[in-house]
Amino acid sequence: DADVTQTPRNRITKTGKRIMLECSQTKGHDRMYWYRQDPGLGLRLIYYSFDVKDINKGEISDGYSVSRQAQAKFSLSLESAIPNQTALYFCATSDLQGRAFFGQGTRLTVV
Amino acid sequence: GENVEQHPSTLSVQEGDSAVIKCTYSDSASNYFPWYKQELGKGPQLIIDIRSNVGEKKDQRIAVTLNKTAKHFSLHITETQPEDSAVYFCAASKGLYGNNRLAFGKGNQVVVIP
Repeated sequence: DADVTQTPRNRITKTGKRIMLECSQTKGHDRMYWYRQDPGLGLRLIYYSFDVKDINKGEISDGYSVSRQAQAKFSLSLESAIPNQTALYFCATSDLQGRAFFGQGTRLTVV
Repeated sequence: GENVEQHPSTLSVQEGDSAVIKCTYSDSASNYFPWYKQELGKGPQLIIDIRSNVGEKKDQRIAVTLNKTAKHFSLHITETQPEDSAVYFCAASKGLYGNNRLAFGKGNQVVVIP
């Protein structure tokens, strides 16, 4: 089983809909992250959390929100999806040595 | 914040040749430099990393070198094989204690031609 699991793997949604992407991890790490990947733009940080009570905005947080339900769970929400949020989304954890571990990704299409 | 740039954006090599990807970083306080490999349809996976107290690190066919003075680090892949075809990301951070995060480059597409 994967150490970092994202659901769903693929999702098509309509403009204006609310959607949640879920992430769970079995690595026991306190630190979790949500990234967005677009062609030619690399990995851009949306939100990150260093423990259950900690939430921080990344470089592109507008239009997104997160919830850290437990050490193992970190979900990303799009309150009102728009087409330019079509992208590949990755959840990641990191250990105290700085090593990041990524999930398999969620491909989101907003039509 | 930290700015990481990768060059070239795309690299094609003949199977068996070597591939080199270079990254530059802007913050001289950065001290941790990992490389990630992303295969098609998968998430990035850590393949090698280096800390600022080391100039070079090797793991079988891959190696990373660090030049702190010039603020750049490079990934070297020797005897390339088709399975080395992927997108490679470099990153930098000032260590993750405290409010520091990895800053990623935009990625390099490496194509190994059989």
